[in-house]
Amino acid sequence: GAGVSQSPSNKVTEKGKDVELRCDPISGHTALYWYRQSLGQGLEFLIYFQGNSAPDKSGLPSDRFSAERTGGSVSTLTIQRTQQEDSAVYLCASSLSSLFYNYGYTFGSGTRLTVV
Amino acid sequence: TQLLEQSPQFLSIQEGENLTVYCNSSSVFSSLQWYRQEPGEGPVLLVTVVTGGEVKKLKRLTFQFGDARKDSSLHITAAQPGDTGLYLCAGVKVQGAQKLVFGQGTRLTINP
Repeated sequence: GAGVSQSPSNKVTEKGKDVELRCDPISGHTALYWYRQSLGQGLEFLIYFQGNSAPDKSGLPSDRFSAERTGGSVSTLTIQRTQQEDSAVYLCASSLSSLFYNYGYTFGSGTRLTVV
Repeated sequence: TQLLEQSPQFLSIQEGENLTVYCNSSSVFSSLQWYRQEPGEGPVLLVTVVTGGEVKKLKRLTFQFGDARKDSSLHITAAQPGDTGLYLCAGVKVQGAQKLVFGQGTRLTINP
C-alpha cells in the first residue's frame, strides 16, 4: 500500500481481556517498529523486526506483551490480560531497513487503546 | 531519565515570531531526525541530519546538528498557524541497536 496501515484505529476493552493490534507496513520495507505514546508525549520503543533476524524485544514492558511478523510483512502486537496502564496510542512504523541509520520511518496513524 | 531532552516542552507564540527548539543528549548519535505530529496522526519525518555541524533548511525551518553529534536544534522563522503541532527529535545512537529513540516532544502553538 501507499502508507502504513493500522487497525483498529480505536479499541476499548475491559481490564483483563486480550487485544490484538495489526500493522500493515509499506511494501518492500524490511524493518517494522512498534512504539507506544501516552497523552501526546514522546514515543516509547517496544519492539522492532528487521528482515529475517530475531526481533529486538528489549522495549516490551512485560511478558503480557508480544508481537510477531508473518512473512516479513504484516505484524500483530498482542497484549494479554490488559491493565489500565496499557491505555495509550500504539504506533507502528516501517523503514527500508534498520541497518542504515539515515533512513526515516513512515508511521501509521496508530491504534488508540483504552482499557476500562 | 530521557535519553534525548527537548526544550521547551510547551511553546505558545504569535504568528510571525521566530522560535528555536532544542534537543540535547550526553550520547553521540549516528543521525538525528525531526518529526512533526498532528492530533490523531502518526509523526511525519521533516529532516535527517547525519554530519556534525550540518545545517539543513526546509522553507522557513532550519535544522542544525551539533559538531559533536550530541544535540540538534530546530529554528522556525516567521511562524505560521500551520506550524502548530508536536515536534519530536529522534536519533540512532552510535553505540547501540539500530532503532530510533525519541525525545518527549515540544508542543508548539502558533496563535493567529
